[in-house]
Amino acid sequence: DAGITQSPRHKVTETGTPVTLRCHQTENHRYMYWYRQDPGHGLRLIHYSYGVKDTDKGEVSDGYSVSRSKTEDFLLTLESATSSQTSVYFCATLSGADTGELFFGEGSRLTVL
Amino acid sequence: AQSVTQLGSHVSVSEGALVLLRCNYSSSVPPYLFWYVQYPNQGLQLLLKYTSAATLVKGINGFEAEFKKSETSFHLTKPSAHMSDAAEYFCAVSESGANSKLTFGKGITLSVRP
Repeated sequence: DAGITQSPRHKVTETGTPVTLRCHQTENHRYMYWYRQDPGHGLRLIHYSYGVKDTDKGEVSDGYSVSRSKTEDFLLTLESATSSQTSVYFCATLSGADTGELFFGEGSRLTVL
Repeated sequence: AQSVTQLGSHVSVSEGALVLLRCNYSSSVPPYLFWYVQYPNQGLQLLLKYTSAATLVKGINGFEAEFKKSETSFHLTKPSAHMSDAAEYFCAVSESGANSKLTFGKGITLSVRP
C-alpha cells in the first residue's frame, strides 16, 4: 500500500559514474521533491517538480539533475558521482497543498567510493 | 526566509520520564509547523502539525506540541517516554500559500533508557 516507491534502496558506486535514482508515486500528487539527509544537516532540498516537465532547483542542486516525464515518476540523476554525494536520498510528495505537508518514501542509501 | 532551530543533537531520557524536544522557528508570515519522526532505516513519518487552528496540537503515539507565537516556538512533548519512542525527530516550517516548501531543522535523536 506504499504511496511512494524508491529504487534502488541501496547502491554502491564509484566516483565518476552516473547514477539515477527513481521515485514512483501512486497518489497522483502534482508536487514531488528530492531531499538528501546527512548527519548534522537534517534534510536539504535538492530539486522539486510542480508538474510534468516542470522542475526547479532547491538549496543543494549542484551536481544533480532531475526529470519528470510522467506524473508518477521523478528521477534524480548524478551525472558523475562524487564522494560528497554519499548520502541517503528521500523522495517526497506534497500531500497537503495549502500547508506544505509532505509524504516521504523509504529512502535510497547511496555510497560513492 | 524561514528557518528552524533544534538545539542539541541528542536527548536521553529514562522510560516513563517526560520527553521535551525543543524547536524554534523563524518566519516572515504566519507559519505552518510540523514534527516528523524517523525510525531507523525508515522514511520520515508525520507526527503532528500546526496549521493555525488550535495552538495545542495532539499527534500520534501520545505526542503533543504547543505553538507559542510570542516565543516563536513549537516544542514537542510526551508525558511518559516509551522504549519505542527512540528515534530521530525533525521539526519543519513552511509558509502559508501555494507552492510552500518545508524547511527542516537538523533533527534530534531521542534515546530512551530502561
